[in-house]
Amino acid sequence: DAGITQSPRHKVTETGTPVTLRCHQTENHRYMYWYRQDPGHGLRLIHYSYGVKDTDKGEVSDGYSVSRSKTEDFLLTLESATSSQTSVYFCAISPGGPEAFFGQGTRLTVV
Amino acid sequence: GDSVTQMEGPVTLSEEAFLTINCTYTATGYPSLFWYVQYPGEGLQLLLKATKADDKGSNKGFEATYRKETTSFHLEKGSVQVSDSAVYFCALGSNFGNEKLTFGTGTRLTIIP
Repeated sequence: DAGITQSPRHKVTETGTPVTLRCHQTENHRYMYWYRQDPGHGLRLIHYSYGVKDTDKGEVSDGYSVSRSKTEDFLLTLESATSSQTSVYFCAISPGGPEAFFGQGTRLTVV
Repeated sequence: GDSVTQMEGPVTLSEEAFLTINCTYTATGYPSLFWYVQYPGEGLQLLLKATKADDKGSNKGFEATYRKETTSFHLEKGSVQVSDSAVYFCALGSNFGNEKLTFGTGTRLTIIP
C-alpha cells in the first residue's frame, strides 16, 4: 500500500463549525489531491497541490480551502460545515502523470 | 471538458459468470484510461490501466482495451468470483500535465455463490 494516512477516519460535526481533515504521505510524491465521493457522482476533485504552497481548485471547491506547508501534509478545511458537505473524503497522491494512489478515506457527517 | 460515462449499476451476477462493465469517455487529446476498484470500507485501488490506443490493461483476470475509435474502455472478466464484489470506477487522466483524474459514477458489482 502507498504510504498515505488520512485522519480522522470518521467525524461527526455540527453545522457551522470548522473542520480540518489531514492527509499525510511518506512517499515524497509531488502531487496531492482531495476528492469527495457521493452516490451517483463518483469521485469529484475538490482541490489539488502540485508542490509545497502550490494549490489549485478542482470542480467542487466552493466551501473548502487547502494548505500544504510541507511535502508530506495536505490539509482540507471546511470553513463552516454544511449538511451538503456530508460525504466520504479521499486523499490521493501521485509522483507525476495521471495515475494516483488513494488513502482509506474519511467519513464526515455534518448534523 | 473531459467526462466519463459508466454503466449504471448495481450489477448482480452468479459466480463464474462473464462480466462486462461498459465505460465510454470524452476527452481532448489522448488520455490515459484506468479502472479502479473499491472494496467495502476501503479506498480506491488501481486495477488496470492503458496509456495509448489499442493498449490492453490486465490484472487479476480483468481486462480492458483502449478503443480510440469508439472512445471506450470496457472492463471484462471471464469468470467472476465472490471476492470480486466491489465498486468499480472508470477514470481518465490527461497526459497534458494537469495531472488530474476524471471519474465515472461507479458500478457496484455483487457476485452471489
